[in-house]
Amino acid sequence: GDSVTQMEGPVTLSEEAFLTINCTYTATGYPSLFWYVQYPGEGLQLLLKATKADDKGSNKGFEATYRKETTSFHLEKGSVQVSDSAVYFCALPQGGAQKLVFGQGTRLTINP
Amino acid sequence: DTGVSQDPRHKITKRGQNVTFRCDPISEHNRLYWYRQTLGQGPEFLTYFQNEAQLEKSRLLSDRFSAERPKGSFSTLEIQRTEQGDSAMYLCASSLDRGYNSPLHFGNGTRLTVT
Repeated sequence: GDSVTQMEGPVTLSEEAFLTINCTYTATGYPSLFWYVQYPGEGLQLLLKATKADDKGSNKGFEATYRKETTSFHLEKGSVQVSDSAVYFCALPQGGAQKLVFGQGTRLTINP
Repeated sequence: DTGVSQDPRHKITKRGQNVTFRCDPISEHNRLYWYRQTLGQGPEFLTYFQNEAQLEKSRLLSDRFSAERPKGSFSTLEIQRTEQGDSAMYLCASSLDRGYNSPLHFGNGTRLTVT
């Protein structure tokens, strides 16, 4: 079945460092791809999405490009802030109805 | 938009007891989802409703689990004869029925601990 694999965490960086969180997927066809973020004590919220190959999703300084050649959707940010500390989930829909399959999550900690 | 609300936030119960969780979705959202998240893992789909109809159930949802959405608004998830393996965060999400242009909005979850 469809699946998502994320890089192992946790990831710890200093403020203003460059961030990459890897995500690869296995799917039939070319599904939409999503990054969700879960801040401490809060529910998951959509960070960004891409609906077709070569699309770039972006939000809050984060970007991810849908690469069908490498079946990847890596999350990047040029200069992270302490407030970016959270758990990040890569996801894709399985079947219809926005039923999402999530990766295992990557915990990011940014130190000042 | 008051967001998705889940109650309670935490529930501790003894093995063998029944528990019920409630989810209040965003009012105009006609789709409602339940997910389960264990420590260090991503959420796993359990079931979803379109209005009051339960359209899909995961194989993860054993016969001890039942979910309802009687009037197409709030939903309840009941677990009967709880087991220690049921300990997890139970997440509710809602969305409009507009395909992938309508993202899921998640609640803060109910954390269940079975002792």
